[in-house]
Amino acid sequence: QITLRESGPTLVQPTQTLTLTCTFSGFSLSTSAVGVGWIRQPPGKALEWLAHIYWDDGERYSPSLKSRLTITKDTSKNQVVLRMTNMDPVDTATYYCGHTSGWLFDYWGQGSLVTVSS
Amino acid sequence: EIVLTQSPGTLSLSPGERATLSCRASQIVGNNYLAWYQQKPGQAPRLLIYGPSSRATGIPDRFSGSGSGTDFTLTISRLEPEDFAVYYCQQYASSPQNFGQGTKLEIK
Repeated sequence: QITLRESGPTLVQPTQTLTLTCTFSGFSLSTSAVGVGWIRQPPGKALEWLAHIYWDDGERYSPSLKSRLTITKDTSKNQVVLRMTNMDPVDTATYYCGHTSGWLFDYWGQGSLVTVSS
Repeated sequence: EIVLTQSPGTLSLSPGERATLSCRASQIVGNNYLAWYQQKPGQAPRLLIYGPSSRATGIPDRFSGSGSGTDFTLTISRLEPEDFAVYYCQQYASSPQNFGQGTKLEIK
């Protein structure tokens, strides 16, 4: 059974760096074609894909946010970490991590609401 | 990058009716790697359809997907009360793996 859980701060101050951790079970990030991605959703708005990391250490980032994002994995801990620098109130959103087969999101975490405010 | 446009923005129907949701891509989606997700308030999205006509595990057969190239459709044959939600399409053929802006399916 595949499960994922996002963890991190619920409140971040403007200009700070957000660090979110996705802890998963039921699969290995060293298995071919497996990946973990991050998606966010501002309140009342649509889903936005952010970043992806793959079994072969490949990384992909949203072009509009690439300069602010870093995604890393710790295969031994079954964790993926997303860092987003220079946070702004417009970055207030629920952040989801998900398991992907290829690039298809087939399992999702429950989401973590992050509010950016001073 | 591929931009996905969903229509309509909101669809008002009654239980038992048929729902047809559209997703149009700005470029051909390679291998027809187009997925549909359902999202209910306060919940994470759930994968319904991928590739573009395969149902995910546990998805009832009243949900079906079709289309190819740039035009894709999600059809719900007979709406159940639990089907009223927001539906998103996503292409997973190329990076960035963009989503559409969503279609809200509401009870009429």
